[in-house]
Amino acid sequence: GAGVSQSPRYKVTKRGQDVTLRCDPISSHATLYWYQQALGQGPEFLTYFNYEAQPDKSGLPSDRFSAERPEGSISTLTIQRTEQRDSAMYRCASSPGTPRSSYNEQFFGPGTRLTVL
Amino acid sequence: AQSVTQPDIHITVSEGASLELRCNYSYGATPYLFWYVQSPGQGLQLLLKYFSGDTLVQGIKGFEAEFKRSQSSFNLRKPSVHWSDAAEYFCAVGANDMRFGAGTRLTVKP
Repeated sequence: GAGVSQSPRYKVTKRGQDVTLRCDPISSHATLYWYQQALGQGPEFLTYFNYEAQPDKSGLPSDRFSAERPEGSISTLTIQRTEQRDSAMYRCASSPGTPRSSYNEQFFGPGTRLTVL
Repeated sequence: AQSVTQPDIHITVSEGASLELRCNYSYGATPYLFWYVQSPGQGLQLLLKYFSGDTLVQGIKGFEAEFKRSQSSFNLRKPSVHWSDAAEYFCAVGANDMRFGAGTRLTVKP
């Protein structure tokens, strides 16, 4: 596609419900990243994928958070048993290069605004 | 652990005036450094990046940044600000596990 897309753009859910957010990266981009951005803060790294492999999950705040990229393209981020503190903008980015390559500019999607009531 | 500090939460400048946004980082090795801009309702757009070589980096929209290892800084500059530059600016360090600063909101006065 022309850019990184995310869906839904807005999600309102009740505490305790599960939510799944979707990211469509730029086609052929090797690397995909997920970030959580609280209001008034910078994005916080959650996890990344190199194709379908997930080398780093260190940023996931708890085991309620999980991410997949089974075919190395589209990715989903799932939050189980949502809590009010999970309310944030969730941003996805993709990069044509692999981490630490000289061309690893990250292209960001518009984000999904999650509100947990 | 790598981290980024943007000391200024909010800066106001007059249109046509010069701009400098500060960024200090902590990183164990030679850092990969970035500046991103976020306009309301938009995703983050890369302004410029530093990996190695010339410490003065030119970016899009007339922005530049200078890497100073001795000061652990990567300040963003623009000689003459335009009203359309009003946005949130984020400094970031790292590669696969990129760390962002908290951001600096820029307001441009007419």
